[in-house]
Amino acid sequence: SQQGEEDPQALSIQEGENATMNCSYKTSINNLQWYRQNSGRGLVHLILIRSNEREKHSGRLRVTLDTSKKSSSLLITASRAADTASYFCATDTSDYKLSFGAGTTVTVRA
Amino acid sequence: DTAVSQTPKYLVTQMGNDKSIKCEQNLGHDTMYWYKQDSKKFLKIMFSYNNKELIINETVPNRFSPKSPDKAHLNLHINSLELGDSAVYFCASSQDSGSDTQYFGPGTRLTVL
Repeated sequence: SQQGEEDPQALSIQEGENATMNCSYKTSINNLQWYRQNSGRGLVHLILIRSNEREKHSGRLRVTLDTSKKSSSLLITASRAADTASYFCATDTSDYKLSFGAGTTVTVRA
Repeated sequence: DTAVSQTPKYLVTQMGNDKSIKCEQNLGHDTMYWYKQDSKKFLKIMFSYNNKELIINETVPNRFSPKSPDKAHLNLHINSLELGDSAVYFCASSQDSGSDTQYFGPGTRLTVL
């Protein structure tokens, strides 16, 4: 069954605005990862946050993790047209595999 | 310089045919995976191999058979293709299994007519 679920399913923003998407999961995790998928391409790893971490930054990306609520958020600041993509969260459960959600599709308008 | 490569990129075939998709990684990783992405972009793991040994085998019809001739290659053979097999198939690799960052190939879009 699906472990992670992203919200919203789709997001449309103006260039320069921030984009926030959320991920909720069901069982306890070792870590949570975010990936980006451009149209017609494979997934690209963005950031990994461990279960004992609460916040992590990478460039214009900020990820938070709240294990008590079983949720994570990905914030993209000062969005650009090149950020148009689908974003997936993936959770690492105790059976040593990643479970992906269905993603949030982000469209950045020029 | 491609880290994870797959061939072919597109595959169009008739129902009932048998086809193979090949995957190679040059990252020196120990673990490789096959995923299926459906039309709603939901990504589901199918198989995982660690050092040529099968470690994850999800509920996948036995028409799907992975083969790992060596640590750098993981091929996927599909027998008696059905309409429902139409999807994008991704190969991925990671240094260790499960929790590690995964590196994905560009995908193979399979269309069964």
